[in-house]
Amino acid sequence: DSGVTQTPKHLITATGQRVTLRCSPRSGDLSVYWYQQSLDQGLQFLIQYYNGEERAKGNILERFSAQQFPDLHSELNLSSLELGDSALYFCASSVASTHSGNTIYFGEGSWLTVV
Amino acid sequence: DQQVKQNSPSLSVQEGRISILNCDYTNSMFDYFLWYKKYPAEGPTFLISISSIKDKNEDGRFTVFLNKSAKHLSLHIVPSQPGDSAVYFCAASLANQAGTALIFGKGTTLSVSS
Repeated sequence: DSGVTQTPKHLITATGQRVTLRCSPRSGDLSVYWYQQSLDQGLQFLIQYYNGEERAKGNILERFSAQQFPDLHSELNLSSLELGDSALYFCASSVASTHSGNTIYFGEGSWLTVV
Repeated sequence: DQQVKQNSPSLSVQEGRISILNCDYTNSMFDYFLWYKKYPAEGPTFLISISSIKDKNEDGRFTVFLNKSAKHLSLHIVPSQPGDSAVYFCAASLANQAGTALIFGKGTTLSVSS
């Protein structure tokens, strides 16, 4: 158990809909990262927040957005869903905002299926 | 453009033998590298890391080697065990730069047979 909690674990929704994925980081971690893993793809970095502020942006679509709340939990909002958005979405957390010897810990992921 | 490449999608090894997983990168600014292991239905778990100022880091059965001139790193598992069967991801980052994220390869599936 990494200490990173993601909900829901599985989600099936229709095209055009909007969903929200939730993440609670490890106790004491200030950074939250979101990654997407599609079939045959590695882990694609979407976005990072540190102590409530956006710190880095990766390949995140405009239809997607995220935020980190004062209690440090984070939500990833996916809207106007398309079939290609079906993927495993991982949240990860770390203590610091940089990676200098700083390990990031992953949750178990949220399986999103768009039908 | 993939900055971190794991060119072997899969590797099969017998129990007790050495497993060697390879990773190449293109960005010479990367200076911290990590290996993660992932079992089905679980999130990736940290395995071992290496800073670019080193060429080897060892932790029990796991050793990571870094060849900066070749922009290549490898993970050696000796001896391999059936429980090592998993997907292994290589990742790289720009250490000490705020707001950067780990860049992952696509992974190599290791199968260790008994």
